[in-house]
Amino acid sequence: ELKVEQNPLFLSMQEGKNYTIYCNYSTTSDRLYWYRQDPGKSLESLFVLLSNGAVKQEGRLMASLDTKARLSTLHITAAVHDLSATYFCAVDLRGGSNYKLTFGKGTLLTVNP
Amino acid sequence: GAVVSQHPSRVICKSGTSVKIECRSLDFQATTMFWYRQFPKQSLMLMATSNEGSKATYEQGVEKDKFLINHASLTLSTLTVTSAHPEDSSFYICSADRLYEQYFGPGTRLTVT
Repeated sequence: ELKVEQNPLFLSMQEGKNYTIYCNYSTTSDRLYWYRQDPGKSLESLFVLLSNGAVKQEGRLMASLDTKARLSTLHITAAVHDLSATYFCAVDLRGGSNYKLTFGKGTLLTVNP
Repeated sequence: GAVVSQHPSRVICKSGTSVKIECRSLDFQATTMFWYRQFPKQSLMLMATSNEGSKATYEQGVEKDKFLINHASLTLSTLTVTSAHPEDSSFYICSADRLYEQYFGPGTRLTVT
């Protein structure tokens, strides 16, 4: 069974602290995506990681991909309240021209003052 | 660029009636669009893949006669929920594929009374 597992599912952290969200997937894939979702809203694309060793950074967020370990991380540096949201990773688990995304369960991040 | 719209953003209907949701790619053409459903505090679940000019591909467990999908042009896909029931109440999100990246619409919140 194809699986995408995120952990933790819930993360409460203080402003200024660092933390990492992990995304494991169960089969070979070269494409992994990170999204942010605010309450009542749709998804906002954060990062697209297309190759082994890919690292992308935007502001206080940095994402990386290790295709051999089937692992992606989303690292939060010096968290601020505005980062509070649910973060999803999604993996293209079919590949090629017939693709679809399978999403993790999401990580609800709460950044406290 | 790569903007996707959905209409309506919110709809309330009575049990037994049908509701149509439109998904449009505004500034690009999309051969493939996707329809997702999201229940509260859960992840996105792919319902079907919509291909322009051909029949949609439904995920296992999704009733194709209940959730009718039409992708008549390269910029428009529609999802019709037929004979809606309260258990169909959910947040429906479409996405459009552009070069193996999915761009998400703002979602439609359906409430069936």
